[in-house]
Amino acid sequence: GENVEQHPSTLSVQEGDSAVIKCTYSDSASNYFPWYKQELGKGPQLIIDIRSNVGEKKDQRIAVTLNKTAKHFSLHITETQPEDSAVYFCAASRGGSYIPTFGRGTSLIVHP
Amino acid sequence: DVKVTQSSRYLVKRTGEKVFLECVQDMDHENMFWYRQDPGLGLRLIYFSYDVKMKEKGDIPEGYSVSREKKERFSLILESASTNQTSMYLCASSRDRARDTEAFFGQGTRLTVV
Repeated sequence: GENVEQHPSTLSVQEGDSAVIKCTYSDSASNYFPWYKQELGKGPQLIIDIRSNVGEKKDQRIAVTLNKTAKHFSLHITETQPEDSAVYFCAASRGGSYIPTFGRGTSLIVHP
Repeated sequence: DVKVTQSSRYLVKRTGEKVFLECVQDMDHENMFWYRQDPGLGLRLIYFSYDVKMKEKGDIPEGYSVSREKKERFSLILESASTNQTSMYLCASSRDRARDTEAFFGQGTRLTVV
């Protein structure tokens, strides 16, 4: 089955810095890669996703890149703000399986 | 907006009790999931269902069972609660099997077994 590795497990940055979280996956048939943000006391919520026919996608301060050859994808957050502090999960799923496999999560701390 | 509602935010149960965790979604989604979240281990899939009365084991089904009698409701059952089942439980739903789409999560149930 699919295996998703996520690094780092903890990331501490100063407000205004950029943050990058990286994930690798094992199943070359995976073609959907969502990212979720989990704030304290809440369930995870989708913030951005990318499909295998696209190499990069941006939404304001958030971007995701995908390298299918190397089987890795990354989340980039620019101009971080304290409200970006949360746990972030990457996931991968294969077309037709509809079941995402999650990474172990990254705790992002943005210091004011 | 899609809403996934879990019946309890916090539960405290005794060892050996039968525990029911309830989840309801209001967007006519076909797929429903139960995950367990533990520090450093991420989200681990317990069971999932893609249709009424259908269920499939996930990665860690031991000690759990599920029920899906209606499309909108998916219940997780701990047959005989044990202390190693103390955890955060997350229910999620997604549209269908035709195309991979985002999962919508409930707010979670923090279960403590004493």
